[in-house]
Formats: sequence, C-alpha cells, structure tokens
Amino acid sequence: GEKVEQHESTLSVREGDSAVINCTYTDTASSYFPWYKQEAGKSLHFVIDIRSNVDRKQSQRLIVLLDKKAKRFSLHITATQPEDSAIYFCAASGGASSSFSKLVFGQGTSLSVVP
Amino acid sequence: DMKVTQMPRYLIKRMGENVLLECGQDMSHETMYWYRQDPGLGLQLIYISYDVDSNSEGDIPKGYRVSRKKREHFSLILDSAKTNQTSVYFCASSLSGTANTGQLYFGEGSKLTVL
Repeated sequence: GEKVEQHESTLSVREGDSAVINCTYTDTASSYFPWYKQEAGKSLHFVIDIRSNVDRKQSQRLIVLLDKKAKRFSLHITATQPEDSAIYFCAASGGASSSFSKLVFGQGTSLSVVP
Repeated sequence: DMKVTQMPRYLIKRMGENVLLECGQDMSHETMYWYRQDPGLGLQLIYISYDVDSNSEGDIPKGYRVSRKKREHFSLILDSAKTNQTSVYFCASSLSGTANTGQLYFGEGSKLTVL
C-alpha cells in the first residue's frame, strides 16, 4: 500500500524566513495531497491541498509544489510568523490500492519559528 | 457550527478492561474515521465508515471494532484493552461522493492510557 515519508522530523526557522517541508510517496496512482496543521495539544486542521492535475497551488503565504515524476510534494511557508509553529502532516490518497477517502499520513514535522 | 466532538477526552484503563470512545459530528457527513496518533508514526487509520452500518477496516484494525448506528455518531470499541493501545485517538469526518472535497474535519482527540 501507499507509504508517505516526511523527511524533516523537526525544523527551526527565524521569523520572516521561509520554511520548506518535504514529503515523498510511493503509489504512482495517488492523486490527492493535503496538508494538516496541529498546534500544541490541539487537534489537526486542514491548511492546503493539491491535486495531481496541477503542480503548484498557493493560498496566501502557503505554497504547495507537486513533482509527480519524483513522487514528491512540498509545503513552503513564506514570511513565517510565530503562530506558524506547529506540527505539519502531509498525506496522500486516491492511489491504486486505496480510495480517495483513505488518507495515508506522514510522520509529521515539528516547525519552530524563532523570533 | 461545524464540529466533531469526542468523548471522553482523557481515559485511564487497566489492561483487559473494555474501552468505548465516542464521536459525534453535526455536519451530516457520510464518512467518518478513527485514527490513532503515536510519536514518530503520524496518524494511522483504524476504521473508516461510509455511512450507517457500512464500515471498512483501515490499516491497523486489529484489536478494535466500531459501531455506526446513526450518521452523526461513530464509536470505537476496544474489547480487553492492551498496553500497546495507549495512544491519542482522533475521530474525523468528511463529505463523500461528488461533494467530497477531500478535507477531513478532526475532533479534539481522546487520550487513552492503558496500565
């Protein structure tokens, strides 16, 4: 089945710099790639997603890039702010062996934005 | 108000006891999920429910069962809990079919400790 690897377990950036979190997946047929944010002690909430028919999507300070050939996608947070500090999870679904609904999550990246 | 509610939020049980985790949502979502979150492993799908009495195993169903008798309510049951089931359990819901944007709405989590 699908496996999603999140390469950075922790990441620290200075406020105002950009942060990049990278993920790779194994199922070539996966077509949906969302990102979720979990603040300390809280639940997860959706932040942005990308589908396989595009290779770039932006929502305010968040940019998601998708490289289908390399089976890699990344979250770029520009002009980071302290409130961006959280654990970020990437996920994938829609592959050959799973339905669109069955998200497979990465292990999470703990982002710290240092003033 | 779009909300997924989990009860209880914290639970301590002894090995061999039964555990009932309950989840409710007020969005009339057809699809509901149970995940567990462990450090370094991200979120792992235990069960998915596509509607009332339409449940499907996720990636780690062993030791768990679920019940969905009403669309807005989804229960996770551990018969004879084990210490390795100590974890944080998240319930989530989503739309399905052509209305499915892919976005999951998560509850606040239920932290279970099995002694």
